[in-house]
Amino acid sequence: KAGVTQTPRYLIKTRGQQVTLSCSPISGHRSVSWYQQTPGQGLQFLFEYFSETQRNKGNFPGRFSGRQFSNSRSEMNVSTLELGDSALYLCASSLGHGGSYEQYFGPGTRLTVT
Amino acid sequence: QKEVEQNSGPLSVPEGAIASLNCTYSDRVSQSFFWYRQYSGKSPELIMSIYSNGDKEDGRFTAQLNKASQYVSLLIRDSQPSDSATYLCAVNVPGRGSTLGRLYFGRGTQLTVWP
Repeated sequence: KAGVTQTPRYLIKTRGQQVTLSCSPISGHRSVSWYQQTPGQGLQFLFEYFSETQRNKGNFPGRFSGRQFSNSRSEMNVSTLELGDSALYLCASSLGHGGSYEQYFGPGTRLTVT
Repeated sequence: QKEVEQNSGPLSVPEGAIASLNCTYSDRVSQSFFWYRQYSGKSPELIMSIYSNGDKEDGRFTAQLNKASQYVSLLIRDSQPSDSATYLCAVNVPGRGSTLGRLYFGRGTQLTVWP
């Protein structure tokens, strides 16, 4: 079974621009969670989608948004990029139901904002 | 604020030794507990999950959970240099109106296994 895939793997953007990251979960998984990882803050939860609905949300500004499609693929968008948005963005998929909370991470997208 | 604390590293052990990694959490309603391994420059990899009090063994890894003490640990037996990585403890806390919540991560413990 194929793992979680994320595209692109690397991105360089300038301040003020916007960016869209994509995530394809493991086949059969309906939940997709997004995390930001930085050396200073560690892994921080952004949001979780299940069946095209945002089910949980972390403490990030409204510039960070996401969505999920009917095939469970998910995208996250960051608008008006700031230097502090430079981070590794990780997507994790899970079944999302039936008592299984195990999350499997994709390889991540390394975003650099200059 | 949900807190997940891990023993501060770095932890250094010789090859063949037992590495012990500890984690405490603040929210008593936490239901599920996970250990992830993250190699430098890579994404976290799930290595153990534990849901009930007691021990769970998988190969060289043993996870231990004590919900009364709000404590979870990971033992790595016969440590190998390839085990050198950062180990992240994660805790699931049920969300409002749902048993399925989000994962809270500790800051990680860096383990080095030297030959």
